[in-house]
Amino acid sequence: DTAVSQTPKYLVTQMGNDKSIKCEQNLGHDTMYWYKQDSKKFLKIMFSYNNKELIINETVPNRFSPKSPDKAHLNLHINSLELGDSAVYFCASSQFAGTAYNEQFFGPGTRLTVL
Amino acid sequence: QQQVKQSPQSLIVQKGGISIINCAYENTAFDYFPWYQQFPGKGPALLIAIRPDVSEKKEGRFTISFNKSAKQFSLHIMDSQPGDSATYFCAASNPAGNKLTFGGGTRVLVKP
Repeated sequence: DTAVSQTPKYLVTQMGNDKSIKCEQNLGHDTMYWYKQDSKKFLKIMFSYNNKELIINETVPNRFSPKSPDKAHLNLHINSLELGDSAVYFCASSQFAGTAYNEQFFGPGTRLTVL
Repeated sequence: QQQVKQSPQSLIVQKGGISIINCAYENTAFDYFPWYQQFPGKGPALLIAIRPDVSEKKEGRFTISFNKSAKQFSLHIMDSQPGDSATYFCAASNPAGNKLTFGGGTRVLVKP
């Protein structure tokens, strides 16, 4: 019973390509997130969605386009991949929006390597 | 600028010892302070969290101390075990609960 799942787990691609990462949560949560963890382990929020609506966009390049077809799914499409996009991308979800006191559940991560 | 600063970057402790990780924040609007534990190859998982109206919270061997006036909080791991070896992240949440700001992480190694 996976709570937050991501596919693929590993993604190796060439510069300039376009790729997508998929995320699904079966927790019934309303809010979903994308985080980027760089090679130094620094973890930074990219996007936050609540009930399919974008609520946080942390000045991420517009090459990154999240899409939420329903509240259980949040996909991340990346155009024209660059070397600096190499990182581990984590999807997360939480139950409540509107209160700070809620736990975020993270997926296993997708390691993206751009050659 | 880094809104949540975490130290040390790494620490080594003997089994049975105490691990202490410190964090400092700048934004007084932060309203919730969780700690996440991450094992290699896994996503972070919530370990323990505290609200700003509480000065201390203890769950088993893990304790958070919170100093609102100093804008600092810390994680104490008592009786550290080899299974505690992981990277620990402090974080701070905005009042709406839709944005977590993480510290830089501390890699803890517990030697048997």
